Amino acid sequence: AQSVTQLDSHVSVSEGTPVLLRCNYSSSYSPSLFWYVQHPNKGLQLLLKYTSAATLVKGINGFEAEFKKSETSFHLTKPSAHMSDAAEYFCVVIDNYGQNFVFGPGTRLSVLP
Amino acid sequence: SAVISQKPSRDICQRGTSLTIQCQVDSQVTMMFWYRQQPGQSLTLIATANQGSEATYESGFVIDKFPISRPNLTFSTLTVSNMSPEDSSIYLCSVGRTGRSYEQYFGPGTRLTVT
Repeated sequence: AQSVTQLDSHVSVSEGTPVLLRCNYSSSYSPSLFWYVQHPNKGLQLLLKYTSAATLVKGINGFEAEFKKSETSFHLTKPSAHMSDAAEYFCVVIDNYGQNFVFGPGTRLSVLP
Repeated sequence: SAVISQKPSRDICQRGTSLTIQCQVDSQVTMMFWYRQQPGQSLTLIATANQGSEATYESGFVIDKFPISRPNLTFSTLTVSNMSPEDSSIYLCSVGRTGRSYEQYFGPGTRLTVT
């Protein structure tokens, strides 16, 4: 079965510094992977997705993620954090049925002024 | 993409009562899903709402507790029955879209507090 591990439950960075949110997955086949963001009291928004095309995926708001099969990782990065990036981030893999999402536990990103 | 609305956006309910949550999509979709997000936790899939047939429930969720309706391709309801404080969560619906790739789009959620 597919599973997702997000290694940090909470990451704190200063505004203007780089962001790294880590995600490792387990999948028995070539996976599709997603990052979603959830701002307080808001719904989930898709940041980016990997679906077996380019391994470096660019998303919205300056975020990007690199799929590394050898490391079974899909870490999310941003060169310079903004206060508005403070939110909960979820890494997601699709299950064997090809339509059900398996969510990671989430990483809460805090951005300090 | 898809625009999804949910009603109510939040509610406070008493123990032992039931609440029905509505999910409306702006276009016809085949796949609709219901998730639960307990306080401070990630999302857990409750069930897949199938149009014209019974919902498919994930392990740990049963139809008697979470009955789901899917009368057409743009609408679904989730009922949380005989509520207890442990049911206090955010309930989200989502729709799945296949095109160049598969994506899910999420509604804003319903924040439920059971007292």
